[in-house]
Amino acid sequence: EPEVTQTPSHQVTQMGQEVILRCVPISNHLYFYWYRQILGQKVEFLVSFYNNEISEKSEIFDDQFSVERPDGSNFTLKIRSTKLEDSAMYFCASRETLAGEQFFGPGTRLTVL
Amino acid sequence: SQQGEEDPQALSIQEGENATMNCSYKTSINNLQWYRQNSGRGLVHLILIRSNEREKHSGRLRVTLDTSKKSSSLLITASRAADTASYFCATDARGSTLGRLYFGRGTQLTVWP
Repeated sequence: EPEVTQTPSHQVTQMGQEVILRCVPISNHLYFYWYRQILGQKVEFLVSFYNNEISEKSEIFDDQFSVERPDGSNFTLKIRSTKLEDSAMYFCASRETLAGEQFFGPGTRLTVL
Repeated sequence: SQQGEEDPQALSIQEGENATMNCSYKTSINNLQWYRQNSGRGLVHLILIRSNEREKHSGRLRVTLDTSKKSSSLLITASRAADTASYFCATDARGSTLGRLYFGRGTQLTVWP
């Protein structure tokens, strides 16, 4: 069964460093999302992406964040200068249609030291 | 805000018993989705119920939706120890740009063998 994949599963970085989190959405899906979950808290929306552009972003998604779909399969989230409070589990999600299920990847646990 | 809120926050039952979790939300929706999350892991999609549906079944899962009360319930019948996880409802708000989901804080279900 097709699934969303994410790499790496864990990422440890120093404050101020850049990180790139990678996702491969399900191949025939058109809508892509990033969410994050700080330990013990609810899942929060970061950004949605469609037709090679951002369609919506939350207040969390500031200038330090960017997303890209560099080719036909990958979808990346870049954090330019990480802060301690960026430590969280980051989830990529995709869906084929707006009426359909939104499937999530296994997540990347980001730890900023 | 639109966020779904689950109730109870924690539920502890014996194997074989049924588990019922509730979700309430605030604004009109296109659909509502339920997810399971094992500790520190990814979000597994369980079931999607559309705003014009009242009940849906999938295996041991039964989901109901009452749009007049802005609430949904997830019933797991004949629970197993492997059902131990956090369960989240996520709403797909009507009018939302490209289907971002709003998550509640989840119900932590513990099933004792």
